[in-house]
Amino acid sequence: GEDVEQSLFLSVREGDSSVINCTYTDSSSTYLYWYKQEPGAGLQLLTYIFSNMDMKQDQRLTVLLNKKDKHLSLRIADTQTGDSAIYFCASRNDYKLSFGAGTTVTVRA
Amino acid sequence: SQTIHQWPATLVQPVGSPLSLECTVEGTSNPNLYWYRQAAGRGLQLLFYSVGIGQISSEVPQNLSASRPQDRQFILSSKKLLLSDSGFYLCAWRDVGGPDTQYFGPGTRLTVL
Repeated sequence: GEDVEQSLFLSVREGDSSVINCTYTDSSSTYLYWYKQEPGAGLQLLTYIFSNMDMKQDQRLTVLLNKKDKHLSLRIADTQTGDSAIYFCASRNDYKLSFGAGTTVTVRA
Repeated sequence: SQTIHQWPATLVQPVGSPLSLECTVEGTSNPNLYWYRQAAGRGLQLLFYSVGIGQISSEVPQNLSASRPQDRQFILSSKKLLLSDSGFYLCAWRDVGGPDTQYFGPGTRLTVL
């Protein structure tokens, strides 16, 4: 089956950039996604990238895709306390999404 | 715009009791619907998905079942809950005509005692 792996924890100082990394195994994945989950809430779609793109930027978020290495990253510029959450990487294969275990981002003052 | 609802928001049930969780989607037609479970500190496990009324596919063998009695309604059930059924249950919908993303509901926190 599809494997998606992420580091579990990231601590970042407020105002710095955060970089969350993800690797996936299915080279036929057409879309890759980043979701954000705040405590006790559902998952919020942050951004997605089509597999034929290398980069996508949306305000403070930058997604980089290295399809050769099957590596996806999410960079959050000027990290704020409201960015503290769990971030999930997901890859799409047909009708299903495969999720990583999530990276818990803690923003410290 | 589309919205997705889940209820109840939280539920505490004894072992062996039945379960019924409901998910409804508004503002779209013929969505693909999904049930996920998130155990504490873990990622998401796909339980069921549905591409249409009465069409259910199960991803993981378990004592749970799902039904889709109407186009925008998805129900997760169990006849007898186990302790291991505790978790955070998330419903999601996929707009097959849109940008091919899944959108999640607010979730139901289930505690089995």
